[in-house]
Amino acid sequence: AAGVIQSPRHLIKEKRETATLKCYPIPRHDTVYWYQQGPGQDPQFLISFYEKMQSDKGSIPDRFSAQQFSDYHSELNMSSLELGDSALYFCASSPLAGGRETQYFGPGTRLLVL
Amino acid sequence: AQTVTQSQPEMSVQEAETVTLSCTYDTSESDYYLFWYKQPPSRQMILVIRQEAYKQQNATENRFSVNFQKAAKSFSLKISDSQLGDAAMYFCAYKFGGGGADGLTFGKGTHLIIQP
Repeated sequence: AAGVIQSPRHLIKEKRETATLKCYPIPRHDTVYWYQQGPGQDPQFLISFYEKMQSDKGSIPDRFSAQQFSDYHSELNMSSLELGDSALYFCASSPLAGGRETQYFGPGTRLLVL
Repeated sequence: AQTVTQSQPEMSVQEAETVTLSCTYDTSESDYYLFWYKQPPSRQMILVIRQEAYKQQNATENRFSVNFQKAAKSFSLKISDSQLGDAAMYFCAYKFGGGGADGLTFGKGTHLIIQP
């Protein structure tokens, strides 16, 4: 079965640089979620989109922005990177059918800020 | 705001035995969903089991089952016949119902060790 695709899988950036993470949801899933998981921590919800509109917002820093495109893929843009942004970033998707209860996670993007 | 608490940072069980991981949550909502996700060393987040709050029957998926006590706001995961591949971090998670794209709230996780 097709899964959520995230790219790149690994990313190394310097402080104050920018990064763009991409997420391609499972086919026929219209909703995308972004999470950040620091070392030894639980995932923290950042933001979600469905039908290209922002739906719910969590603890996303003002330096981060995200959007969903017409093909339902999503991008997370991170600017002025800080050392503390080093983390595993997950994208998850859920289907409209069934009420979006269940989120299926991608493999994550490991971001290291030096 | 809803909270999820996992009071066992680490659990250990012998292979082939049964283990129960605890989770409690706090919410003022009546429509919600609860999940257990498994995160092995690869760090992939894998859905283990899901429970709808409106269902009284406890969810079961093969060797995995839950004990959902809505009044007590408790949602424990029982793993029967533990296998080496079950070794992982297990996260309990809550999602508000209503059909929206609400984010999950996770507990801090329980690290499960399987002793051969």
